[in-house]
Amino acid sequence: QKEVEQNSGPLSVPEGAIASLNCTYSDRGSQSFFWYRQYSGKSPELIMFIYSNGDKEDGRFTAQLNKASQYVSLLIRDSQPSDSATYLCAVNPSGGYQKVTFGIGTKLQVIP
Amino acid sequence: DAGVIQSPRHEVTEMGQEVTLRCKPISGHDYLFWYRQTMMRGLELLIYFNNNVPIDDSGMPEDRFSAKMPNASFSTLKIQPSEPRDSAVYFCASSLGPRPQYFGPGTRLTVL
Repeated sequence: QKEVEQNSGPLSVPEGAIASLNCTYSDRGSQSFFWYRQYSGKSPELIMFIYSNGDKEDGRFTAQLNKASQYVSLLIRDSQPSDSATYLCAVNPSGGYQKVTFGIGTKLQVIP
Repeated sequence: DAGVIQSPRHEVTEMGQEVTLRCKPISGHDYLFWYRQTMMRGLELLIYFNNNVPIDDSGMPEDRFSAKMPNASFSTLKIQPSEPRDSAVYFCASSLGPRPQYFGPGTRLTVL
């Protein structure tokens, strides 16, 4: 079992819809969770991080964490074609911010 | 502020040649990371440094890979001899203490 699991997609949603990206992790002691966005041919860009159970909102983005179920999700409201990218889930198993393990990424396509 | 700087951006070499990738972290950051990204394996951590000292190199695939950080503003990743399976995008990232990592633009390496 991989440490961080994501569906590679592609996930296709129509413009204006909510895109829901999911990630599960294997280490129950994980403390820090990150979402990176990576456009084709570009480097990963941090968009959200979350440490506590529940929701964290930032503009059109909401990160959700459920430690009991060991999953973290990213919701993108009012999806735009410019949101089309690969979204990488990253987890630090031991707390802090070092030695982060990345998932394979989910490719999101927002259809105009 | 300048972000993480990597050079070269593209490198094409022949099997058996030595390859050196370079990275300049964000000024003031005390952690530096080297990653490799491929379609099959995603983003993998190779090695990371704290205050110029290698902390964890368990991700380095084999002895052909070596990394150094002679000072706070410069790091190298060397592959000698290179093999076709080393073809990938190599990212350098840096962070300030317990904060998220910021990635450089990457070096696309092709070994023929």
